[in-house]
Amino acid sequence: EAQVTQNPRYLITVTGKKLTVTCSQNMNHEYMSWYRQDPGLGLRQIYYSMNVEVTDKGDVPEGYKVSRKEKRNFPLILESPSPNQTSLYFCASSFWRQGLYGYTFGSGTRLTVV
Amino acid sequence: SQQGEEDPQALSIQEGENATMNCSYKTSINNLQWYRQNSGRGLVHLILIRSNEREKHSGRLRVTLDTSKKSSSLLITASRAADTASYFCATDANNAGNMLTFGGGTRLMVKP
Repeated sequence: EAQVTQNPRYLITVTGKKLTVTCSQNMNHEYMSWYRQDPGLGLRQIYYSMNVEVTDKGDVPEGYKVSRKEKRNFPLILESPSPNQTSLYFCASSFWRQGLYGYTFGSGTRLTVV
Repeated sequence: SQQGEEDPQALSIQEGENATMNCSYKTSINNLQWYRQNSGRGLVHLILIRSNEREKHSGRLRVTLDTSKKSSSLLITASRAADTASYFCATDANNAGNMLTFGGGTRLMVKP
């Protein structure tokens, strides 16, 4: 089954403790992205990657890091989490080729930083 | 910054009625998409309309796009309780498939 898998689904952590949220896709998509969703603000893009070793900032990159060492994986790293990073996070993968378009979201990771 | 703004923010209707949600955006786009999200879950792609299209249908969904007004609408006909969810519009400005800009969403409640 074609899917984007995020782990963990839920995470409670303390301020300053480094954490990584993993994201993996099995569709061989070139593009992967991370979004955060906050009430009333919709989804905002944190980082995206056009391909292996190619990453770029989205709208709200501060406090986050990403890496794209393999095509299928795009982990989101919070080096020193703070309470304002409490949010619902979504990973997505996509392709755009010859007029065909596909965009698939993971099930989300609900992060609470206390 | 948000590109799309949905209107209304919340909508409550009876089963069988039609639900209309609107989305406005600020800059030029290559395509606009509508997504559905059940509470706290991932987004499900519903429909994509390209900038050179004016209307598109998919089952009970009808999407219109007016690029002169920078607006789109999503109509769900003959709504069902299972349609209860949040609906988001998202714009793709560069047609590369790598960056969508979302609006704040419309929360739809369909009462049985």
